[in-house]
Amino acid sequence: GQSLEQPSEVTAVEGAIVQINCTYQTSGFYGLSWYQQHDGGAPTFLSYNALDGLEETGRFSSFLSRSDSYGYLLLQELQMKDSASYFCAVNSGNTPLVFGKGTRLSVIA
Amino acid sequence: GAGVSQSPSNKVTEKGKDVELRCDPISGHTALYWYRQSLGQGLEFLIYFQGNSAPDKSGLPSDRFSAERTGGSVSTLTIQRTQQEDSAVYLCASSPYGGGQETQYFGPGTRLLVL
Repeated sequence: GQSLEQPSEVTAVEGAIVQINCTYQTSGFYGLSWYQQHDGGAPTFLSYNALDGLEETGRFSSFLSRSDSYGYLLLQELQMKDSASYFCAVNSGNTPLVFGKGTRLSVIA
Repeated sequence: GAGVSQSPSNKVTEKGKDVELRCDPISGHTALYWYRQSLGQGLEFLIYFQGNSAPDKSGLPSDRFSAERTGGSVSTLTIQRTQQEDSAVYLCASSPYGGGQETQYFGPGTRLLVL
């Protein structure tokens, strides 16, 4: 089977840095995606890692270690608007992405 | 250009009734996906269309669920004899070609409540 594990909730202070981890077990692996979803909104794409290492896009970075079946999303200089759910998703080669259950991030003042 | 649109935005129905949910993907996108999201949960894959290929129906939870895509564009998800456990947000997404590495663009979803 295929499974992804990520923390259900994370709380962090405005201006701080937070890391959301994702571990996966899949029958095939091509890459790891991250999506953001605000309450009542649609998921929106944040990043995709196919190779090991860190990908940086502004305040957001995403990391992948294929040997450890592990990745994380790093959010810097947290803002209140970053409060949302964050989903990791695996591209296993079978086209429908497999999504984790999501991590609800609460940014507090 | 316009994003993915879905209708209706909200649907309340009685147990046992049939419902149809519509998705208009981004123009030119050949891949279209349906997901279901229960309250506070992740995205559960339902069905995937890619061009003229046979759809991947491996995620449909029961034979009460079906979907079609006409002319390679608009898609309709039909739930027959709805049950209370069908209550969820139904999300549609599209992508240009259907590769797993592609960004999927999601619509706003249809919130279905079965009484």
